[in-house]
Amino acid sequence: DSGVTQTPKHLITATGQRVTLRCSPRSGDLSVYWYQQSLDQGLQFLIQYYNGEERAKGNILERFSAQQFPDLHSELNLSSLELGDSALYFCASSRAGFGQPQHFGDGTRLSIL
Amino acid sequence: AQTVTQSQPEMSVQEAETVTLSCTYDTSESDYYLFWYKQPPSRQMILVIRQEAYKQQNATENRFSVNFQKAAKSFSLKISDSQLGDAAMYFCAYRSAYTGNQFYFGTGTSLTVIP
Repeated sequence: DSGVTQTPKHLITATGQRVTLRCSPRSGDLSVYWYQQSLDQGLQFLIQYYNGEERAKGNILERFSAQQFPDLHSELNLSSLELGDSALYFCASSRAGFGQPQHFGDGTRLSIL
Repeated sequence: AQTVTQSQPEMSVQEAETVTLSCTYDTSESDYYLFWYKQPPSRQMILVIRQEAYKQQNATENRFSVNFQKAAKSFSLKISDSQLGDAAMYFCAYRSAYTGNQFYFGTGTSLTVIP
C-alpha cells in the first residue's frame, strides 16, 4: 500500500460528460502529480501541485483542470469527454526534497462509451 | 526540458538469469535523482530503486542494481536471478533538483520472464 488513495477505481461515462477524479496524498506529502496512461502507453505528465499551488504543467488539455485543496487532497476535472480520453489516470505524491520518490495511487480507470 | 530514453520497448529473460534494461537521459543539470519504477499487470506503479547523481556508488536493492554512468548519462537496471514476478513494464525516471522538482519518465520497457 503506497498510502496514496484514488477514487473512484473505475469510472464509466459517455462522451461529452464531465467527471472528477480524486486523490488523497500520503500523509506529509505536499506535492501531488497527475498522469495519464493510455493502453500500452507510457505515462503522460499532466500537472503538478505543491502545497496548493500549481508547480508544473505538462500535456494537459484545456478541457482538463485540477486543483489542490488546503487539506492537500487534489481533484482532476475532465470535461467534454471524448473517446480518446479513456485511460488510466494516476495520482502520485511526494515529500519536499528532490531525492524523494513519487508514490503512486492505484489509478482511476476511465472508460468513455 | 529533460528527456529520458528507453531504447528497448521489449526484453525477455529466462527465469533465474540476469537481464539489463537500458535508460539514457539528457540534461544539463549537475544534480538530480534517477529512479526505476515497475508496473506489473496489475498496473500499480512500484518504486524499485533510486540513485542520486552525486553518489558514485551504484544503488542496490536485493536482486536489483543499477549501473550509473554520469558522464555517459546512462542509468541501466540489472535484475539478477530473474523471477516470474519480475515480469512487468519498467519505467526509468529523472527528477530535477531545479525545475519545480518535476519528474520525467521514459516510455518503458516491457520485460517478459520465460519459465
